[in-house]
This record gives sequence, structure tokens and C-alpha cells, in this order.
Amino acid sequence: DVKVTQSSRYLVKRTGEKVFLECVQDMDHENMFWYRQDPGLGLRLIYFSYDVKMKEKGDIPEGYSVSREKKERFSLILESASTNQTSMYLCASGETGGRGNQPQHFGDGTRLSIL
Amino acid sequence: AQSVSQHNHHVILSEAASLELGCNYSYGGTVNLFWYVQYPGQHLQLLLKYFSGDPLVKGIKGFEAEFIKSKFSFNLRKPSVQWSDTAEYFCAVKGNYGGATNKLIFGTGTLLAVQP
Repeated sequence: DVKVTQSSRYLVKRTGEKVFLECVQDMDHENMFWYRQDPGLGLRLIYFSYDVKMKEKGDIPEGYSVSREKKERFSLILESASTNQTSMYLCASGETGGRGNQPQHFGDGTRLSIL
Repeated sequence: AQSVSQHNHHVILSEAASLELGCNYSYGGTVNLFWYVQYPGQHLQLLLKYFSGDPLVKGIKGFEAEFIKSKFSFNLRKPSVQWSDTAEYFCAVKGNYGGATNKLIFGTGTLLAVQP
């Protein structure tokens, strides 16, 4: 079974802090993704990475950055946390190719509160 | 741009009732379609997927979905729900660009509550 592990289930930080969310997958997947999940808005893609050191902006990248130094690890960084970044953050990984029919595999999520 | 629309935000059913959750997408090309489920306190997991062939797709736990190309729809169905089906359900679509990435567009989700 694919395992996507997010470092924290719950996190509380203060406005202006730099926040790191870590994600590790154990299936050698090329693609990794960061989403945020908000009630009534579903999942929105923040950033994704299709290879080590490669990244692309998703739909809502403002206020975030990412790092992928190793294939199995994908980090989301909130440069200066703000209260509107309070949300559930989901990491996912997936394979490449096969006409795109591979599903993504999700972690348990990190519920981040910015005070 | 691709988009996914889930018509029902909240659905409340009694056990043994039949379920149909609507999903429509906007994309003119070949698509791959997915339904994910998130049980309370658990991670998102794949329920079923469609990429080609038989438009009626069977998934886990008795769920099925039908791809109707002319209607741009991929509705999720279950003939008889159980209390354990209480969860949030997400429809997702990926345009088949043949590219390297596996980027999905998700709907806003439908919260299903099944009353015992």
C-alpha cells in the first residue's frame, strides 16, 4: 500500500511565522502535490512537483512556496503565515504516464491554525 | 479551463435509501474521471475511476458511476446506503494531455449523512 505521511496532524502557529509542512511518500512516485481543503471550496491545488527540484504553481500559490530536494519528500512553506491560511493541508503523490489514469494517494492532512 | 461541478453540497438519507450524487465537468477532450471519499477523520481515498472502455464503472463498497459523455457527467450511485457511508465525496477530473503530470481538478465535495 502507498503511504503518504504528513509530519503533523495538528499545528498552531502565530501570524508572521515561517511555517514548514513536511510530506514523505514511500512509493517512488514522480509527482507530489499540496492542496488546501476548505469547507464549501473542496480541494484547491497550491503547488505540485513532477521531479526533484522541479515545481509548478497550482491554482492558489500566493503566500506559499515549496521545496523538493529528494524524490520522496515535498515540503510546503508558508513564508509569513496569515490568518487566512488557517486550513486543512493535504499532501498527495502519484505516478506519471499511463494516459493519466493513475489516482493520487493522499496523506492524513495537517490542520493548521494561524493565530 | 477545466472545472468540476457537484450539485449537492449536503445530502441526508436514511439507511437502505438509494444514492445518486451528481458530477459535471467542463472539458472538451478526453478525460479521466475519479470519485474520492473522505470518511470522518480519515484521509481521502479512491472510490473508483474511469479512463476508457465500459462507461459504467464499479468501485469499492458497492459504489458505481456512469460516464455519460454527451452530458459531461459522471454521477456516483449506490442502490442501498449504510450508516458507514457517511462521508464527504469528491468528484475529480484530469484532462488527457498525455503530459507528465497527474494534475486533478476537484469538485467542491458533497457531504453525505446517512441516518440509521
